[in-house]
Amino acid sequence: GEDVEQSLFLSVREGDSSVINCTYTDSSSTYLYWYKQEPGAGLQLLTYIFSNMDMKQDQRLTVLLNKKDKHLSLRIADTQTGDSAIYFCAESDNTDKLIFGTGTRLQVFP
Amino acid sequence: DGGITQSPKYLFRKEGQNVTLSCEQNLNHDAMYWYRQDPGQGLRLIYYSQIVNDFQKGDIAEGYSVSREKKESFPLTVTSAQKNPTAFYLCASQMGSPYNEQFFGPGTRLTVL
Repeated sequence: GEDVEQSLFLSVREGDSSVINCTYTDSSSTYLYWYKQEPGAGLQLLTYIFSNMDMKQDQRLTVLLNKKDKHLSLRIADTQTGDSAIYFCAESDNTDKLIFGTGTRLQVFP
Repeated sequence: DGGITQSPKYLFRKEGQNVTLSCEQNLNHDAMYWYRQDPGQGLRLIYYSQIVNDFQKGDIAEGYSVSREKKESFPLTVTSAQKNPTAFYLCASQMGSPYNEQFFGPGTRLTVL
C-alpha cells in the first residue's frame, strides 16, 4: 500500500533555514500537502503542490517536488520560535483519502 | 464562524466503558474523517464518511463505531473492544475531490484509566 515517510526530529537555530523532507511511494498522487500541528491542537494546512509542479513558493515557505524520486521537501526561511511544531507531509491517492507521514517535530532554539 | 468542533477536549474513562466523541462541522462539507494520533506514528484513519448515512472503515476500525445521520455530525464511539484506546483523536472534514484539503478540529485526548 501507499507509504509516506519522514524523519522524526529536526532542530535548528532561530534565523536559520529549516528543511523538512518526505518520501512517498504512490506515483499516482495528484496533490501533496504540508500540514502544521502545534502542541495539543489539530492540523492546519500550510501549503500544497500539484504533482505536475516542481516548486511552489509562498512567503517564507518553499516546497520542492522531485516526482522521479518521489521526494517532497518543505523549506522554511528565517525560522522563528513560533515555527516550532510537528509538520506532516500527506499525499492524495485519487480517492477522498489522504495518506499522512509520521510527522517531523521541528524545534527552534535561540 | 465556519469551522469544525470537537468535544470534549479531554476525556477520562474507566477501562471497559464505551465512550462517544463528538465532531460537528458547519462548513457544508460532504466528507468527514476520524483519525487516531499516537506519538511517532502520525495519523491513522479510523473511519470516514463521504455522504450522509454511509461510512467506510479505515486502516484501524476495529473497536470503533461511527454514525452519519446528519451532514454536520460524525460521532465516534470507542468501544470496550478497543484494546488500547488512550490516544489523541482528530476529526476532519473535506469538500471533496480533486483538491482534497482537509480541515481539522482541535482534537480530543482520551485517557482510559
